[in-house]
Amino acid sequence: AQSVTQLDSQVPVFEEAPVELRCNYSSSVSVYLFWYVQYPNQGLQLLLKYLSGSTLVKGINGFEAEFNKSQTSFHLRKPSVHISDTAEYFCAVSRNQGGKLIFGQGTELSVKP
Amino acid sequence: DVKVTQSSRYLVKRTGEKVFLECVQDMDHENMFWYRQDPGLGLRLIYFSYDVKMKEKGDIPEGYSVSREKKERFSLILESASTNQTSMYLCASSLVQGYDQPQHFGDGTRLSIL
Repeated sequence: AQSVTQLDSQVPVFEEAPVELRCNYSSSVSVYLFWYVQYPNQGLQLLLKYLSGSTLVKGINGFEAEFNKSQTSFHLRKPSVHISDTAEYFCAVSRNQGGKLIFGQGTELSVKP
Repeated sequence: DVKVTQSSRYLVKRTGEKVFLECVQDMDHENMFWYRQDPGLGLRLIYFSYDVKMKEKGDIPEGYSVSREKKERFSLILESASTNQTSMYLCASSLVQGYDQPQHFGDGTRLSIL
């Protein structure tokens, strides 16, 4: 069975510092991986996705993620965060049944001045 | 631009009431989804529809039903609301039945059952 684990429930960081949000998945088949962001009182927005090809994926707002098949990880990174990056971030993996996703538990990123 | 609209941002209902949550998408997407979001649990799939009048149970369907009479509209129904259904409900849609299709989300309905 497929599953997604986000290793940190909360990540506090100071403005302009780098950040990494960790995501591990388990799957016995090829996967498609996604990161979504949820700003306060809003729905989820797609940050980036890995489908195939280059293992380094660039997304919106300066975020990027690296797909590591041997470690079954898809960690999200940003070299310098802003206050406006404060949000909850969700990692997701596609299920074997078309169209459905499995979401991780979420990581709350809190950027402090 | 893609638009998924949920009819209410906040809703307060009483135990035992029948509750309807409405979702409309304007992208001609085949797939539509209902999730509930609870702290520390992420998003859990309640029901999924891949075409008009077609539906499939998700991971936590108990106490819920759905209706999809038109392609653009997907309704979640709480048959007899209970306090443990107090939660944030998110609707999403996606194009066709591809594994690589991202889902597009509405802003959510925060439902309180008293």
